[in-house]
Amino acid sequence: EAQVTQNPRYLITVTGKKLTVTCSQNMNHEYMSWYRQDPGLGLRQIYYSMNVEVTDKGDVPEGYKVSRKEKRNFPLILESPSPNQTSLYFCASKPSSGSYNEQFFGPGTRLTVL
Amino acid sequence: SQQGEEDPQALSIQEGENATMNCSYKTSINNLQWYRQNSGRGLVHLILIRSNEREKHSGRLRVTLDTSKKSSSLLITASRAADTASYFCATEGAQKLVFGQGTRLTINP
Repeated sequence: EAQVTQNPRYLITVTGKKLTVTCSQNMNHEYMSWYRQDPGLGLRQIYYSMNVEVTDKGDVPEGYKVSRKEKRNFPLILESPSPNQTSLYFCASKPSSGSYNEQFFGPGTRLTVL
Repeated sequence: SQQGEEDPQALSIQEGENATMNCSYKTSINNLQWYRQNSGRGLVHLILIRSNEREKHSGRLRVTLDTSKKSSSLLITASRAADTASYFCATEGAQKLVFGQGTRLTINP
């Protein structure tokens, strides 16, 4: 089944403890992206990647890192999480960076930073 | 920055009625997309309309796009209880989707 998977789905952690949220897609998509969703603010893009080893900042990249060493995986790294990073995170992918493709979203990761 | 602004923020109708949601945006776009999100879950793509298209249909969904007014509408006909969800418009420009804050649709049996 074609899908985007994220792990973990739920995570409670403490301030400063490094964590990684994994994202994997099995559709051979070139483009992948991370969003966070917060009440009243909608979804905002954190980082995106147009292909392997090509990443770029979105609207809210502060406090996050990403890597794209292989096409299928696009992990989101929080080196020193803070409470303002408590949010619902979504990974998404699409076939290419072209403009006429829908994005496929993962199921989301609910992160709480205490 | 938020580009798409949905209107209304919340809509409650009876099953079988039609639901219309509107979206306005600020800058030029390549396409506009509508997504559905069931409470706290992932987003599901509904329909994509290109900037050179004016109307598109998919099942019970009808989307219009007016680039001169920078606005779009999503019409769901013959609504069902399963249509209860949040609906987001998203505009695609330079390598990213910019989402609005969504319309919360409730279908009452």
